[in-house]
Amino acid sequence: EAGVAQSPRYKIIEKRQSVAFWCNPISGHATLYWYQQILGQGPKLLIQFQNNGVVDDSQLPKDRFSAERLKGVDSTLKIQPAKLEDSAVYLCASSLDRAIDEQYFGPGTRLTVT
Amino acid sequence: GDSVTQMEGPVTLSEEAFLTINCTYTATGYPSLFWYVQYPGEGLQLLLKATKADDKGSNKGFEATYRKETTSFHLEKGSVQVSDSAVYFCALYGGGADGLTFGKGTHLIIQP
Repeated sequence: EAGVAQSPRYKIIEKRQSVAFWCNPISGHATLYWYQQILGQGPKLLIQFQNNGVVDDSQLPKDRFSAERLKGVDSTLKIQPAKLEDSAVYLCASSLDRAIDEQYFGPGTRLTVT
Repeated sequence: GDSVTQMEGPVTLSEEAFLTINCTYTATGYPSLFWYVQYPGEGLQLLLKATKADDKGSNKGFEATYRKETTSFHLEKGSVQVSDSAVYFCALYGGGADGLTFGKGTHLIIQP
């Protein structure tokens, strides 16, 4: 079975610019997660979707970050405007259901903000 | 809130050495515990997990036992290989709507 797909793999932007990341979860997985992994740290959850609804976005900086999961499949994460401290790897993960806790991760998008 | 603490790296070992990477956690209730591995240029992969106290997770020669009394989930392997070189993350899932809580990761380097 195909894994979690993410694009782009790498992105370099200047501060105050905007950027968007795309994620395609494993087919049939109802739950989708976006994590931020800053260099030298473990991933930190940004937002969790169950189908096309948001379950938890308490750690999403909503003044600049937004995410959507239209039709309960693909998802996009947007940053506008970007700051230097947003430089990180953005990981998308999916799982079958909230009650099933095994998550499958995509390869991530490495963002560099200059 | 929930938290995971794992030993700092990098950890450098010779091939065929015994490996231990320590992991302790703080959580309310009874979380599920995981070890994820991240090979260079790749995404995180689930290595093993344990869902209740005294469970032992194992995979590819690695194992870890869920110790509720010491709130620990140490990763062990009897004989490491160069191909085990990667970053290892300990994580927990509390069952709520908050995804996984990860440790900072331990970079393991195996020298031939």
